[in-house]
Amino acid sequence: AQKVTQAQTEISVVEKEDVTLDCVYETRDTTYYLFWYKQPPSGELVFLIRRNSFDEQNEISGRYSWNFQKSTSSFNFTITASQVVDSAVYFCALIYSSNFGNEKLTFGTGTRLTIIP
Amino acid sequence: DTGVSQDPRHKITKRGQNVTFRCDPISEHNRLYWYRQTLGQGPEFLTYFQNEAQLEKSRLLSDRFSAERPKGSFSTLEIQRTEQGDSAMYLCASSPLGAKNIQYFGAGTRLSVL
Repeated sequence: AQKVTQAQTEISVVEKEDVTLDCVYETRDTTYYLFWYKQPPSGELVFLIRRNSFDEQNEISGRYSWNFQKSTSSFNFTITASQVVDSAVYFCALIYSSNFGNEKLTFGTGTRLTIIP
Repeated sequence: DTGVSQDPRHKITKRGQNVTFRCDPISEHNRLYWYRQTLGQGPEFLTYFQNEAQLEKSRLLSDRFSAERPKGSFSTLEIQRTEQGDSAMYLCASSPLGAKNIQYFGAGTRLSVL
């Protein structure tokens, strides 16, 4: 069974602080992909990053960085120098192939991030 | 490229009525997905199309739900005899063929059943 756990339901930080969103996953697959999506109040899920299970290198994109650790089944997301525009719900997700060749996403319950000006 | 488009954005209906939502995927994306998201939860998979073929349906999709993608382009999701428990955000996503491709989401249709 596939499962994604985001234990932090809500986080509030003051603008310019750094913040880390945690994601822990469970899968029996040896090959899998992990994702982070952002959902602003408008509702649309915005893709942020995809990482495959063979690549454990950390990734940085501007103020965003991701730490993938297979040993702890974690894929954490850090925002450096947070801004008010970062306020949103962030979802971690896992993709696997079902028997039908479908690749459906399994999402965590999300972390609501509020940046206080 | 325009993104995934969903219509309507909001729908309020009375219990027992039928509703239909539309999704226009990114052009040339073969795969189309429907997800349902309830308050405080992540999206949950409902069904999947590859071109016009509906290849998988979740157990979440009761007999009152039906989805189509008649020409492999836009898709519709119909809910018959709506119940209050159907109130949720219905999200559509599309992706090109290929392993583990990124799914691009629309803004969703928020359904409220009174």
